[in-house]
Amino acid sequence: QQQVRQSPQSLTVWEGETAILNCSYENSAFDYFPWYQQFPGEGPALLISILSVSDKKEDGRFTIFFNKREKKLSLHIADSQPGDSATYFCAASASSGSWQLIFGSGTQLTVMP
Amino acid sequence: EAAVTQSPRNKVAVTGGKVTLSCNQTNNHNNMYWYRQDTGHGLRLIHYSYGAGSTEKGDIPDGYKASRPSQENFSLILELATPSQTSVYFCASGERQEDTQYFGPGTRLLVL
Repeated sequence: QQQVRQSPQSLTVWEGETAILNCSYENSAFDYFPWYQQFPGEGPALLISILSVSDKKEDGRFTIFFNKREKKLSLHIADSQPGDSATYFCAASASSGSWQLIFGSGTQLTVMP
Repeated sequence: EAAVTQSPRNKVAVTGGKVTLSCNQTNNHNNMYWYRQDTGHGLRLIHYSYGAGSTEKGDIPDGYKASRPSQENFSLILELATPSQTSVYFCASGERQEDTQYFGPGTRLLVL
């Protein structure tokens, strides 16, 4: 049973467009949602994160929108650049539990110049 | 920024053989983690540790052992490697459970 789901599996956008990556979860106890970015041949690295008390988190061109009622969140990458081409993982954890991170299966983003 | 290194970076093993993957972190983080990454599954937690001498089972511990002999080092041991353990393995560290996890570059393991 996959507790964190991501869609689409792969996404291609043109340079300058906004890429939208989706994530949903099942466990109501999840209250921390980091997004990790992974380039080929490297380990994942934290990109941006949000706590469930917020419905939006911005960091430069990257924005997380969070809908607690629907158990959904999305990562928006504005003005996408070819250097943003990577795999993005949504993850979730619960402060009431072990804080263990549960990862989604990832979205592979390609930004065409 | 945390520095996490893994060795070897690539490994070919035979079925039934013993494999040891090593991880070292230099930022004195308490927590360390071993994940495997497979297409369609994202990252799945195998074992983790809260500090030297401790190891805990993650979501998929079967077929794996872990060892944390020191704050800096965390090893993943496959006593009897099987082809189903062919994967990319990532080590990560973090100060506290709720903190950012810093990942190493990964070890690509092929079990023939």
